Amino acid sequence: GQQLNQSPQSMFIQEGEDVSMNCTSSSIFNTWLWYKQEPGEGPVLLIALYKAGELTSNGRLTAQFGITRKDSFLNISASIPSDVGIYFCAGQLGGAQKLVFGQGTRLTINP
Amino acid sequence: SQTIHQWPATLVQPVGSPLSLECTVEGTSNPNLYWYRQAAGRGLQLLFYSVGIGQISSEVPQNLSASRPQDRQFILSSKKLLLSDSGFYLCAWSVTLQQPQHFGDGTRLSIL
Repeated sequence: GQQLNQSPQSMFIQEGEDVSMNCTSSSIFNTWLWYKQEPGEGPVLLIALYKAGELTSNGRLTAQFGITRKDSFLNISASIPSDVGIYFCAGQLGGAQKLVFGQGTRLTINP
Repeated sequence: SQTIHQWPATLVQPVGSPLSLECTVEGTSNPNLYWYRQAAGRGLQLLFYSVGIGQISSEVPQNLSASRPQDRQFILSSKKLLLSDSGFYLCAWSVTLQQPQHFGDGTRLSIL
């Protein structure tokens, strides 16, 4: 079945640093989504990507849909303490296909 | 705007007891609804989804069942809980199966 490899699994950075994480798949996807989850809450949608090569920003967050349609990355610039959480990628082939989630990247920020 | 509500937020149940978790969506009609389980520190596993009233698709064989008695209501149930049913249960909705899913705040279920 379809699987997403998300890396790194965890990151420990200093406040103000830039962050980069990515997801790769053995299968192609038509949609890539990035979510953020804080403790005790549900994931919140950050960015949705629908086209290969698409680069989309949401404030300090930037995500790209890989040209091969098998990968996506998320960058966070100038990290701040409220960026702490678990970031999930999710891919969808399209039509009635379900979302496939990565295992998450846990971001910890030292002030 | 659309909102999604899940309750209870936390639940502690003994092994063998029944379960009923409820999810409701407001501000939209005929949403697609989903139930996920998330083990500690892990990704999300899709359990059930529904494209309409009374229509339930099961993704994995398990001790749980789902029902959709009303357009914007999705219920996760079990007749007898197992220890392995512990976890964080998330409800989500989307406009269509192709649109992004939006999640509720989840229910933390602990089985003793």
